[in-house]
Amino acid sequence: NAGVMQNPRHLVRRRGQEARLRCSPMKGHSHVYWYRQLPEEGLKFMVYLQKENIIDESGMPKERFSAEFPKEGPSILRIQQVVRGDSAAYFCASTSMDPGTGAVVSGNTIYFGEGSWLTVV
Amino acid sequence: GDSVTQMEGPVTLSEEAFLTINCTYTATGYPSLFWYVQYPGEGLQLLLKATKADDKGSNKGFEATYRKETTSFHLEKGSVQVSDSAVYFCALRLDYKLSFGAGTTVTVRA
Repeated sequence: NAGVMQNPRHLVRRRGQEARLRCSPMKGHSHVYWYRQLPEEGLKFMVYLQKENIIDESGMPKERFSAEFPKEGPSILRIQQVVRGDSAAYFCASTSMDPGTGAVVSGNTIYFGEGSWLTVV
Repeated sequence: GDSVTQMEGPVTLSEEAFLTINCTYTATGYPSLFWYVQYPGEGLQLLLKATKADDKGSNKGFEATYRKETTSFHLEKGSVQVSDSAVYFCALRLDYKLSFGAGTTVTVRA
């Protein structure tokens, strides 16, 4: 059973370019998170999505950042017109719902991918 | 809001020493608590978890007990190895949201 898959693992972009980070959740997981880890800092929540729906984007910067999780295919975190301050590790995570009720279960583990390291030069 | 405070590092230890990393939380409800570990250049791996008061999570010689009365979830290991060198994150989950502490860097010297 494959884990959370992220690509690319490393991405270098020049200032002003666009960065696209992709995430495929674990098999059977329909909810995806994106977190950002700035150098020497902890992980900060960005966005929580289910397929075709953004549930909570309270941690997303107001401009240049967007996320989607289409019905088919991976979740995408898109950063337009990147700046040096966007250099960070971006982690995707996924979790499962209760199979009977479809409800979120707080005790369920959230599994993380290996991250995408974005460097803006 | 919900938050996690963990012991600041870095922590440097000798092999076979005892490790404790303190973690306390503030939450409006009854969260589940987690410890994640991040090895250099890698993603986060779940180390252990506890979902209710007085539960003890354990894995790879690490332990943590969910203490509701002190709102704590301290991580302990009796005898560390060089391979335990990593960053350790305490986290709480309420509903869907997982909130992390700042992380504690642990270095174990041979």
